[in-house]
Amino acid sequence: GENVEQHPSTLSVQEGDSAVIKCTYSDSASNYFPWYKQELGKRPQLIIDIRSNVGEKKDQRIAVTLNKTAKHFSLHITETQPEDSAVYFCAAKVVIDFNKFYFGSGTKLNVKP
Amino acid sequence: KAGVTQTPRYLIKTRGQQVTLSCSPISGHRSVSWYQQTPGQGLQFLFEYFSETQRNKGNFPGRFSGRQFSNSRSEMNVSTLELGDSALYLCASSPSQDPKTQYFGPGTRLLVL
Repeated sequence: GENVEQHPSTLSVQEGDSAVIKCTYSDSASNYFPWYKQELGKRPQLIIDIRSNVGEKKDQRIAVTLNKTAKHFSLHITETQPEDSAVYFCAAKVVIDFNKFYFGSGTKLNVKP
Repeated sequence: KAGVTQTPRYLIKTRGQQVTLSCSPISGHRSVSWYQQTPGQGLQFLFEYFSETQRNKGNFPGRFSGRQFSNSRSEMNVSTLELGDSALYLCASSPSQDPKTQYFGPGTRLLVL
């Protein structure tokens, strides 16, 4: 089955700096890659996603890039703010494989004011 | 629309007991997935139900089971609880018209003593 690895496990940045979180996947049939943000004590929420026919997607300060050949995708947050502090999870799935998602182990992002 | 709800929110059990958790999806959503979240392990897929049928199953022992009712509400059961079953159990529902998008519930935190 699919294996998703996520790095780093913790990331500390200064407010205003950029943050990058990287994930690799093993199954070349995976073609949908969402990113979730989970604030302390709250439920995961989808923040951005990308399908395999797209190399990059941007939404304000958040962007995701995908390299299908290398089987890795990354989350980029620019101009970080303290409210970006949370745990971020990447995930992968094969679109036709119903709703079987494989998640990374999470990155705890701390944005220092 | 009301979001995904889960009951109970917190639960304390002892080893060997069994537990049943409940999940009510967003109205109109027919797919319900269950995940186990533990520190350092991220979210691990348990199973997914659609129209009362299990469509997908993760790599968990048979002690973990689930079902879905005709109103799409779902329950998961864990029998013969072990200390390692202590975790946050999340369910997520998806709309039929956009099955790749998951909406998570607040989770049930289970502590096994």
